Amino acid sequence: EIVLTQSPGTLSLSPGERATLSCRASQSVSSNYLAWYQQKPGQAPRLLIYAASSRATGIPDRFSGSGSGTDFTLAISRLEPEDFAVYYCQQYGTSPRTFGQGTKVEIK
Amino acid sequence: EVQLLESGGDLVQPGGSLRLSCAASGFTFSIYTMTWVRQAPGKGLEWVSSVTGSADYTDHTDSVKGRFTISRDNSKNTLYLQMNSLRAEDTAVYYCAKARTTTVPRDAFEIWGQGTMVTVSS
Repeated sequence: EIVLTQSPGTLSLSPGERATLSCRASQSVSSNYLAWYQQKPGQAPRLLIYAASSRATGIPDRFSGSGSGTDFTLAISRLEPEDFAVYYCQQYGTSPRTFGQGTKVEIK
Repeated sequence: EVQLLESGGDLVQPGGSLRLSCAASGFTFSIYTMTWVRQAPGKGLEWVSSVTGSADYTDHTDSVKGRFTISRDNSKNTLYLQMNSLRAEDTAVYYCAKARTTTVPRDAFEIWGQGTMVTVSS
């Protein structure tokens, strides 16, 4: 099983600041099949990034994904009030399709 | 509009059974891989099971193998999760999710339902 470790656990930032979230895999992610999701309290997750760096439909360009192999990053260039949420990475190239434990982006 | 609507969540005793349903609309259901993902209260996301569009391949996480069965009825545009021998640790919100595309063998989960709560407790 591929274990995904996200860091930091919590990121305290102000609106307008840049956020950088990390996701490290215990082994190489097949075909860079790595996704990022955003989840707000009481809501279902929302797909942001797939295949490590491709933005999903309707996702603002302030969200960007990068990385390959075992190290991946989600960047939010300028935080908007609606971006404060929990973010999960997920690898879907190998079964079981595992998720990271999440990074909470909170208002400082 | 693409929509997924889960139902069937309930309070059930340990060792009991439950069947979840996910009604799909707004897309050609029969060609997309569908998935169940769960989230225990206050915890992260956990992939549970996936089934291909034609149902020729299913996959389950180890902790539910032999207890849960994913299936689908393409004539009814509905996804199911039959859950047997339920345990306290199965308590979670269960989401159904649609794969982003049909052009790759595995894909991210693009559309999610609102979830249905399963509570396993005596």
